[in-house]
Amino acid sequence: GAVVSQHPSWVICKSGTSVKIECRSLDFQATTMFWYRQFPKQSLMLMATSNEGSKATYEQGVEKDKFLINHASLTLSTLTVTSAHPEDSSFYICSARSGSKFYEQYFGPGTRLTVT
Amino acid sequence: GQQLNQSPQSMFIQEGEDVSMNCTSSSIFNTWLWYKQDPGEGPVLLIALYKAGELTSNGRLTAQFGITRKDSFLNISASIPSDVGIYFCAGQLFGNKLVFGAGTILRVKS
Repeated sequence: GAVVSQHPSWVICKSGTSVKIECRSLDFQATTMFWYRQFPKQSLMLMATSNEGSKATYEQGVEKDKFLINHASLTLSTLTVTSAHPEDSSFYICSARSGSKFYEQYFGPGTRLTVT
Repeated sequence: GQQLNQSPQSMFIQEGEDVSMNCTSSSIFNTWLWYKQDPGEGPVLLIALYKAGELTSNGRLTAQFGITRKDSFLNISASIPSDVGIYFCAGQLFGNKLVFGAGTILRVKS
């Protein structure tokens, strides 16, 4: 149990375009979902926290208008990188936390974004 | 803000050896989580600890939640090549966001 999926697993896009990444909890309802960014050989950096039906809470320094997060249901959250630039190239990982196992947080497999 | 100090930064050990890594914090947590991340993948939850002093095992892995609630260790016994990866500790206080350590890179010589 506790499986989180992400789609796509990798994406290449041109500078100036937008990219949407989906995160789904497959076998549990995720009351809270998180989006992280990870640079090579570094730890995970939290970008934002979202609760189903509510606006996401962004970490300091993360642009809300650039990284649009929608948590439309208890099993789906999306991250849209708008007007992507090469510096947005990174490994994006979502995570989900259920209401039943409140303190356990499960991660998706990640999405490698390359902006050319 | 809260910070976790994870050590060692990296380890290169012989297959069959035991491994130990730990995390310390200046702040208390009420949950400690240990994750393993393979290259190009998301972190996988290995062990979750909820009580100070708790000792929990998962196969060859054993982790403990420190009595002071400011530290935790993870031991891996009889390491095998598939243990290779990056291990992260993470602390959490009352359901707030996770605070991650910088990670321990484990390499195993077969």
